[in-house]
Amino acid sequence: EPEVTQTPSHQVTQMGQEVILRCVPISNHLYFYWYRQILGQKVEFLVSFYNNEISEKSEIFDDQFSVERPDGSNFTLKIRSTKLEDSAMYFCASGQDHEYFGPGTRLLVL
Amino acid sequence: KNQVEQSPQSLIILEGKNCTLQCNYTVSPFSNLRWYKQDTGRGPVSLTIMTFSENTKSNGRYTATLDADTKQSSLHITASQLSDSASYICVVSAWGSQGNLIFGKGTKLSVKP
Repeated sequence: EPEVTQTPSHQVTQMGQEVILRCVPISNHLYFYWYRQILGQKVEFLVSFYNNEISEKSEIFDDQFSVERPDGSNFTLKIRSTKLEDSAMYFCASGQDHEYFGPGTRLLVL
Repeated sequence: KNQVEQSPQSLIILEGKNCTLQCNYTVSPFSNLRWYKQDTGRGPVSLTIMTFSENTKSNGRYTATLDADTKQSSLHITASQLSDSASYICVVSAWGSQGNLIFGKGTKLSVKP
């Protein structure tokens, strides 16, 4: 069964550094999403992406975040200057009206 | 404000027993309600998805109900197994919103032998 994959599974970075989280959505899906889950808290929507542009974003998705589909398969989330409070599990998802989630990347900002 | 509240926060049951998890929501305009299972450190996996016109949906030992009038949903797990130990998250989608899902905090279920 096709699934969403994410790399890396874990990332540790210093505050102020840039990180890029990578996702390979399910191949015939056209809608892509990023969510995050701070430890012990709810999953929160960050952004949705369709037809090579952002279709919706939350208040969390400020100027330090960006998304890109650099080629036909990858979908990335970049955090330009990480803050301590960016430490969370980041989930990529794909699908329309029914989102399929990846296993997540655990980001730790020190 | 769009919100999803779940109860109980956590639950311990013995293997083979049934249980019911609750979800209340204030999301408007409502599109659909999903129940997800999330194992620790993993991504959520969809169990059921219900639209406004559906009031029950089953997926194996999982049965979800929806009362759109009272804005309540439940997830009933029958004959629980050790592998059912996970967080169960109620998620509501607003109409016209693509992917902007409103998540509950989840109910952490532990099934003991």
